[in-house]
Amino acid sequence: DVKVTQSSRYLVKRTGEKVFLECVQDMDHENMFWYRQDPGLGLRLIYFSYDVKMKEKGDIPEGYSVSREKKERFSLILESASTNQTSMYLCASSAPLYSNQPQHFGDGTRLSIL
Amino acid sequence: DAKTTQPTSMDCAEGRAANLPCNHSTISGNEYVYWYRQIHSQGPQYIIHGLKNNETNEMASLIITEDRKSSTLILPHATLRDTAVYYCIVRARSNDYKLSFGAGTTVTVRA
Repeated sequence: DVKVTQSSRYLVKRTGEKVFLECVQDMDHENMFWYRQDPGLGLRLIYFSYDVKMKEKGDIPEGYSVSREKKERFSLILESASTNQTSMYLCASSAPLYSNQPQHFGDGTRLSIL
Repeated sequence: DAKTTQPTSMDCAEGRAANLPCNHSTISGNEYVYWYRQIHSQGPQYIIHGLKNNETNEMASLIITEDRKSSTLILPHATLRDTAVYYCIVRARSNDYKLSFGAGTTVTVRA
């Protein structure tokens, strides 16, 4: 089975802090994704990576950056956390797009910015 | 992506089959049907997907009509742990990397 592991289930940080969310997958997937999920707004893509050191902006990249130094690990960085970044953050991974294989998600990190 | 329509909610008795419908009347030839579910406070869980043939795995069966305009996800023996929001998505595989979920169907399995 595919396993996508997010480093924390719950995290509380203060405004202005630099926050790191880590994600590891064990299926040698090329693609990795960071989404946030908010009530009434659904799932929104923040960033996408299709290879080591490669990234593409999603729909809402402002205030975030990402790092992919190794194939299995994809990090999301909140450069200076703000209260409007309080959300559920979801990491996903998948095989190449042409394979029609699904994205697999981690359990999520519920982040609260105070 | 083609739009999907699902019922807002449904109840199911524990141990009985749960049949979840999804309408995707504007689906195009290269779009697959995917099903995910999300249990409260957890990440979405992939269930099954298919193009035009019926599919079965250890979790569920997917029945796609011959015209591909609708599909049904079948949970053969629902348990209380199957209570979740179920999402039906249609996507082309080519360059479509962004997932988006609609409102889904809230399934409540009752003892």
